[in-house]
Amino acid sequence: AQTVTQSQPEMSVQEAETVTLSCTYDTSESNYYLFWYKQPPSRQMILVIRQEAYKQQNATENRFSVNFQKAAKSFSLKISDSQLGDTAMYFCAFIQLTGANSKLTFGKGITLSVRP
Amino acid sequence: GAVVSQHPSRVICKSGTSVKIECRSLDFQATTMFWYRQFPKQSLMLMATSNEGSKATYEQGVEKDKFLINHASLTLSTLTVTSAHPEDSSFYICSARNAGGVYGYTFGSGTRLTVV
Repeated sequence: AQTVTQSQPEMSVQEAETVTLSCTYDTSESNYYLFWYKQPPSRQMILVIRQEAYKQQNATENRFSVNFQKAAKSFSLKISDSQLGDTAMYFCAFIQLTGANSKLTFGKGITLSVRP
Repeated sequence: GAVVSQHPSRVICKSGTSVKIECRSLDFQATTMFWYRQFPKQSLMLMATSNEGSKATYEQGVEKDKFLINHASLTLSTLTVTSAHPEDSSFYICSARNAGGVYGYTFGSGTRLTVV
């Protein structure tokens, strides 16, 4: 079974600074996707970024980038130039590509607070 | 982009009554939908997976008779909480996967259920 571990329950960062959120996972699969989702106070789940396991290049989306270390099974999220609107819970998630009913496995999440 | 509409956003019901939550994919066909439950400051817990036209697959520990799931069309899945009790109070979120595969994971805005 796949597991996703987010060991930091909370983090705080000053506005305009950079913060890195950690995530590790465990799987025996070779084909999978990794995601970071953001859940602001509205509780709407928003996809931040995704990474295909077969791609060596780290995904980037504007201020958001990942450090994907496949051998170490690590998938951290870096948020640059943090903004107040980045305050939210962030969930790391994994999905294998095989199986008709493959489903997202979420980590416990981390609460990020951006201080003005 | 893909949009999933979830209604109602909030509902209060009396203990012993049933409540239906709808999840609609507005601009794509959702072959598979997922229902999650989330407690405050915690991760999403998968309750069940529904495929259009077939019976839902429930996760271990989820009562099938209490949480009835119907996925009668490619755009609509419903979760009915039957004989609700205060311990069923929670935040329920649906997610839809379109026929395109992995990239179609879109979340509804969630339903806050309070049973009094």
